[in-house]
Amino acid sequence: DTGVSQNPRHKITKRGQNVTFRCDPISEHNRLYWYRQTLGQGPEFLTYFQNEAQLEKSRLLSDRFSAERPKGSFSTLEIQRTEQGDSAMYLCASSPPVETQYFGPGTRLLVL
Amino acid sequence: TQLLEQSPQFLSIQEGENLTVYCNSSSVFSSLQWYRQEPGEGPVLLVTVVTGGEVKKLKRLTFQFGDARKDSSLHITAAQPGDTGLYLCAGGRYDYKLSFGAGTTVTVRA
Repeated sequence: DTGVSQNPRHKITKRGQNVTFRCDPISEHNRLYWYRQTLGQGPEFLTYFQNEAQLEKSRLLSDRFSAERPKGSFSTLEIQRTEQGDSAMYLCASSPPVETQYFGPGTRLLVL
Repeated sequence: TQLLEQSPQFLSIQEGENLTVYCNSSSVFSSLQWYRQEPGEGPVLLVTVVTGGEVKKLKRLTFQFGDARKDSSLHITAAQPGDTGLYLCAGGRYDYKLSFGAGTTVTVRA
């Protein structure tokens, strides 16, 4: 399967713990995006990479969130000191230099 | 406040019936994508439309982009239970961000 992959698919953590998610984009795509989706809502943009450069971060991405794409391939999203409000589906997408984005299966985070 | 408004929010129909989902905005978009999402999964791309007035057909699904590129519709003919899911529209504006609607939950009863 050459689609976008995300790991883990599910994560349950206690409030205050750190979590890290991984995204592997479609190999020839130079653009990578992170979105967050809560119940009953569409995905909301968090951040965007072109190759290894992080070009924008949404105001939704507080100081506790950090994303990296060190070699322009896979990306990680880390949440430090998790809060219950961080519970959501975290989606990764990738695209070539056009607007159509292809999504991975998501990581569902539950903070207890 | 979401840039794209989808209606209806929920739709339940009998197998074989037709349905239409609407996606409206006061903003102009350079492209509009439709996705279908199943519970616990990521959105799966159905179509991208980029030209005002464009109509695309994908088997029983017909997608239309408004002339002014502010709205779009998705029409399903002879719906089947496999069409059940959350339908999301997403607009691009010559940049890298997609703005999503809240989605329309479609249930097709056998």
